[in-house]
Amino acid sequence: GESVGLHLPTLSVQEGDNSIINCAYSNSASDYFIWYKQESGKGPQFIIDIRSNMDKRQGQRVTVLLNKTVKHLSLQIAATQPGDSAVYFCNYGQNFVFGPGTRLSVLP
Amino acid sequence: DTGVSQDPRHKITKRGQNVTFRCDPISEHNRLYWYRQTLGQGPEFLTYFQNEAQLEKSRLLSDRFSAERPKGSFSTLEIQRTEQGDSAMYLCASSLSRGGKVEQYFGPGTRLTVT
Repeated sequence: GESVGLHLPTLSVQEGDNSIINCAYSNSASDYFIWYKQESGKGPQFIIDIRSNMDKRQGQRVTVLLNKTVKHLSLQIAATQPGDSAVYFCNYGQNFVFGPGTRLSVLP
Repeated sequence: DTGVSQDPRHKITKRGQNVTFRCDPISEHNRLYWYRQTLGQGPEFLTYFQNEAQLEKSRLLSDRFSAERPKGSFSTLEIQRTEQGDSAMYLCASSLSRGGKVEQYFGPGTRLTVT
């Protein structure tokens, strides 16, 4: 089955700096990837998506990069704000599989 | 509010009891998903429906778990003879399958505590 992970990595960044959150996936058949943000006490919320025929996609302050060769996905957040503090998950594998998540803490 | 709703938000039950959770998806969404999430982990897929048909079930979904979506609208997830290991957040999500995109909209979850 797909790996989910046993503990949550944490990334701490200063307010205003850029953040990069990474995800390694194992299902090479995945053709659609999504990043979700989950704030405490809430369900995950869609941030941005990318198809496997693309390498990069930009949204408002967020960019997703896809490297299919090494099965790696990253989420870049520009000018990180306190409201960005949350757990971020990548999603793939017919979109049933969530990566282990990364907790982003924004320091004042 | 036209988002996904779940009821109850919290449930405390004794081991061995049965519990049932309800999910109301976004009205025009044809797909509905159930996930389980424990502290520090990502959501784990349990099952999903397209309209009223249950199309896929995870091996995590033991015989004690059953899900229904009788009219292709709301769904229920029942856990029979609950065990302490069932304590978790149960998340429901819905989506509209269109052009291969399956962005899921999540509800707030039902937190189950089995004592």
